[in-house]
Amino acid sequence: GENVEQHPSTLSVQEGDSAVIKCTYSDSASNYFPWYKQELGKGPQLIIDIRSNVGEKKDQRIAVTLNKTAKHFSLHITETQPEDSAVYFCAAIGDKLIFGTGTRLQVFP
Amino acid sequence: NAGVTQTPKFRILKIGQSMTLQCTQDMNHNYMYWYRQDPGMGLKLIYYSVGAGITDKGEVPNGYNVSRSTTEDFPLRLELAAPSQTSVYFCASSYHSMGNRGSETQYFGPGTRLLVL
Repeated sequence: GENVEQHPSTLSVQEGDSAVIKCTYSDSASNYFPWYKQELGKGPQLIIDIRSNVGEKKDQRIAVTLNKTAKHFSLHITETQPEDSAVYFCAAIGDKLIFGTGTRLQVFP
Repeated sequence: NAGVTQTPKFRILKIGQSMTLQCTQDMNHNYMYWYRQDPGMGLKLIYYSVGAGITDKGEVPNGYNVSRSTTEDFPLRLELAAPSQTSVYFCASSYHSMGNRGSETQYFGPGTRLLVL
């Protein structure tokens, strides 16, 4: 079946460094790719999204890139801060909504 | 707006008991969804609804039932609780459906943690 692979499952970085999380999807019909941040004990919150007609999108310290040919999309966080520590989920939406398995990001002061 | 609210926050059930997880949204969204999230895993869609009176199965519907009598409410029913249903349940809503042009952004509730013993 269709799936979304997400790597790495855990990521530890020093405050101020960059973090990159990568996802690969299999459904060619996918055309919308949101990223969610989930803090402990809370529901996922949308942080950025990208559509299939766009290659890159940036919002302050967060950026997402999309390579439709390779079916890859990535989340980039620059100048990480301790409050960026959370679990991040990618998702691919076409006829179905499929979530990745999540990346636990820890930012150490 | 309160957004998406869920009750209860936490519940312990015995095997074979039944319960209803409540979900309400005040954003006038037409689409609503129920997900379960197992430890270390992503979200899996249980059921969804495209509007009042219309529901459909998601990826993992067995053991669950839903109803959508109003735009605001989308309760999830467990009839005979099993240990495999121990999970965190999230309700979400969106204005447009997945794949349609427009806002597919889903807004999630805070979750209900369910433990079946």
